[in-house]
Amino acid sequence: GENVEQHPSTLSVQEGDSAVIKCTYSDSASNYFPWYKQELGKGPQLIIDIRSNVGEKKDQRIAVTLNKTAKHFSLHITETQPEDSAVYFCAASYFGNEKLTFGTGTRLTIIP
Amino acid sequence: DTGVSQDPRHKITKRGQNVTFRCDPISEHNRLYWYRQTLGQGPEFLTYFQNEAQLEKSRLLSDRFSAERPKGSFSTLEIQRTEQGDSAMYLCASSHWTSGSNEQFFGPGTRLTVL
Repeated sequence: GENVEQHPSTLSVQEGDSAVIKCTYSDSASNYFPWYKQELGKGPQLIIDIRSNVGEKKDQRIAVTLNKTAKHFSLHITETQPEDSAVYFCAASYFGNEKLTFGTGTRLTIIP
Repeated sequence: DTGVSQDPRHKITKRGQNVTFRCDPISEHNRLYWYRQTLGQGPEFLTYFQNEAQLEKSRLLSDRFSAERPKGSFSTLEIQRTEQGDSAMYLCASSHWTSGSNEQFFGPGTRLTVL
């Protein structure tokens, strides 16, 4: 089955700086890669996703890149703000079997 | 609010008791998923439904766990003879699969504590 590794497990950045979280996956059949943000006491919230036919996707301060050859994808947050503090999860799945396999999460702390 | 809702939000039970959780998906979403999340870990897939049909169950889902989605709308997850290892957050998600979208929208979860 699919295995997703995520790092770092914790990340602290100064407000206004950029944050990068990286994930690798094992199953070359995976073709959908979402990123979720989870705040304390809440369920995961989808913030951005990318499909395998695209190398990069951007939505305002958030971007995701995918390298299919190396089987890794990354989340980039620019101009970080205190409200970006949360736990971020990457995940992978493939069309026809949409169960998500999640990474172990990154606790991001934005230092004012 | 038209998001995924779960009930109850918190449940404390004694070992050996049965518990049942409910999930109401986003209206017209035909797929419904259950995940389990333990502290410091990402969610782990348990099972999912397309309409009322249960299409896949994880090996994590022992015979003490059963899930239903009788009319293709809300779903229930029952745990019989609870064990302390069942303590976790149980998350429900839904998606509108016919659009070809993989986007899964999660509810707030039910936190189970087994004493």
